[in-house]
Amino acid sequence: DSGVTQTPKHLITATGQRVTLRCSPRSGDLSVYWYQQSLDQGLQFLIQYYNGEERAKGNILERFSAQQFPDLHSELNLSSLELGDSALYFCASSATSRQETQYFGPGTRLLVL
Amino acid sequence: AQSVTQLGSHVSVSEGALVLLRCNYSSSVPPYLFWYVQYPNQGLQLLLKYTSAATLVKGINGFEAEFKKSETSFHLTKPSAHMSDAAEYFCAVRGVFGNEKLTFGTGTRLTIIP
Repeated sequence: DSGVTQTPKHLITATGQRVTLRCSPRSGDLSVYWYQQSLDQGLQFLIQYYNGEERAKGNILERFSAQQFPDLHSELNLSSLELGDSALYFCASSATSRQETQYFGPGTRLLVL
Repeated sequence: AQSVTQLGSHVSVSEGALVLLRCNYSSSVPPYLFWYVQYPNQGLQLLLKYTSAATLVKGINGFEAEFKKSETSFHLTKPSAHMSDAAEYFCAVRGVFGNEKLTFGTGTRLTIIP
């Protein structure tokens, strides 16, 4: 158990809809990262937040957004969903902003029908 | 930009045999390098990391990796494979100065033959 929790574990929705994925980092960790894992694109870094502020951005679509709240939990919002957004979404956390050792959550499996 | 290349998307070894998973990096300066493992239906777990200290790094579950600057490689090895090692393994790289983004390779699925 990494100490990172993600909810929900599974999500099934329809094209055009909006969903919110939630992540709670390990106790004491200030950085949260979001990744998308799909068969065709592999593991892609989406975005990083550190202590409430956006720190780094990766291959995140404009339809996706994230935020980190004062209690350090984070939410990833996916809107206008397309079939291609079906993937496993991971959250990870680390103690600092420097992306050293990251601890991964179990993931949220999103299926867009 | 840093990148890693994992040679072989699938590797099969017999139980008890040597495990060798290959990773080559591309970076203008020696980066930080990581190996993560993903068991079925689980998140990624850190196996080991290289952060410019000893070039031979020992990790969990009997795995180790050697940083070779001359070959720009960071191959993962285990002397004797166990059935529980069946998983997907990801090599990752992070820059040292000014470019600290973590970039993952495409992964190698390890199958253990009984």
